[in-house]
Amino acid sequence: TQLLEQSPQFLSIQEGENLTVYCNSSSVFSSLQWYRQEPGEGPVLLVTVVTGGEVKKLKRLTFQFGDARKDSSLHITAAQPGDTGLYLCAGANTGNQFYFGTGTSLTVIP
Amino acid sequence: EPEVTQTPSHQVTQMGQEVILRCVPISNHLYFYWYRQILGQKVEFLVSFYNNEISEKSEIFDDQFSVERPDGSNFTLKIRSTKLEDSAMYFCASSVRQRGAAETQYFGPGTRLLVL
Repeated sequence: TQLLEQSPQFLSIQEGENLTVYCNSSSVFSSLQWYRQEPGEGPVLLVTVVTGGEVKKLKRLTFQFGDARKDSSLHITAAQPGDTGLYLCAGANTGNQFYFGTGTSLTVIP
Repeated sequence: EPEVTQTPSHQVTQMGQEVILRCVPISNHLYFYWYRQILGQKVEFLVSFYNNEISEKSEIFDDQFSVERPDGSNFTLKIRSTKLEDSAMYFCASSVRQRGAAETQYFGPGTRLLVL
């Protein structure tokens, strides 16, 4: 089993603050995806990163894939209440299994 | 925008009963998946399906579980003789693989299964 650890597990911040969520593993992944999940709903894809060192931006969200393709980070600038949710990373191996991280629950307080 | 749909949204069943969870993947997708998420825990891979057969399965996916693509649109997960610990959200996902591109899986809204 390829384990993906996310940190922090819980994060509560004020609107307008910046934050970074980390996704770490000892395994190498062919690609890594970030999802956001609302309570009672399915994960919604935010981004896929493939190349080591790759950086992708989605409005106020910046995603980076580690050089060794074992870890990733999600940085949110000027967080808004609408960013509240569970953020999940998921790594794909050379087969077609996706391994999900433990999740980071973000609360942005207005 | 095309999306994965799942039915029912909620299912309550008695322990020992059989349940069938249904999914309609995105129409041009060829790879299908089932995941589960026990309340408060992480999303866990169950099985992947391609070309009318299972391509990979996890240790969770034992003989109690089976999957089927009975027609051109539906993808089902059957759980025989349900146990209390089968209570979870079950997510279906589908993807289309493109040469030279990473696979992207799209998830359905889930079926919440409660076994009493």
